Amino acid sequence: ETTLTQSPAFMSATPGDKVNISCKASQHIDHDISWYQQRPGEGAILIIQEATTLVPGTPPRFSGSGYGTDFTLTITNIESEDAAYYFCLQHDNFPYTFGQGTKLEIK
Amino acid sequence: QVQLQESGPGLVKPSQTLSLTCAVSGGSISSGTYSWTWSRQPPGKRLEWIGYMYCSGSTYYNPSLESRTSISLDTSTNLFSLKLTSVTAADTAVYYCARGGCDYPQKWGQGTLVTVSS
Repeated sequence: ETTLTQSPAFMSATPGDKVNISCKASQHIDHDISWYQQRPGEGAILIIQEATTLVPGTPPRFSGSGYGTDFTLTITNIESEDAAYYFCLQHDNFPYTFGQGTKLEIK
Repeated sequence: QVQLQESGPGLVKPSQTLSLTCAVSGGSISSGTYSWTWSRQPPGKRLEWIGYMYCSGSTYYNPSLESRTSISLDTSTNLFSLKLTSVTAADTAVYYCARGGCDYPQKWGQGTLVTVSS
């Protein structure tokens, strides 16, 4: 089973900041990782697929990078609407597994 | 735009069967081009993938839960369902349904809290 170590668990940012959220896999998973955003009171949505591909409708200030074991979700020029819970999911092998999640607060 | 909404009893007694449904609106569950996933998040813990029905109709379950889990689709009511038997307090969690492409979820429901307690 692949363990995903996601960090940080919590972060606070100011509008206009750039933030990075990391997800490290315990074994090589190619580019088989997805990133999700869950705003308070809403269902989660896919924002980055296959490690680097922006899902249509996701603002271009979001980007994903990485391959193999180290992956990063980057948000540049943060806006207040980006306040949410973010988590990663690996779909390279069964059972699929998740990172611990990151709560992003906007000051 | 597809919407998903989980529903079911918020309280289940130990040793009983947890049964949840996911109502899908804005799209048919019988199209054969989507996967249908159940996941859960125990209090203070990370999400756990329970299993899914693949585009082909095959089901895949987390080995840690496989012996107690069943996922099914009801095309007549546009619902997909989760049954988890012989529950214990360790099964207390927020349960989520999701629809995705064949490999991974794309859109999730808001989740429903299920507490296992006598």
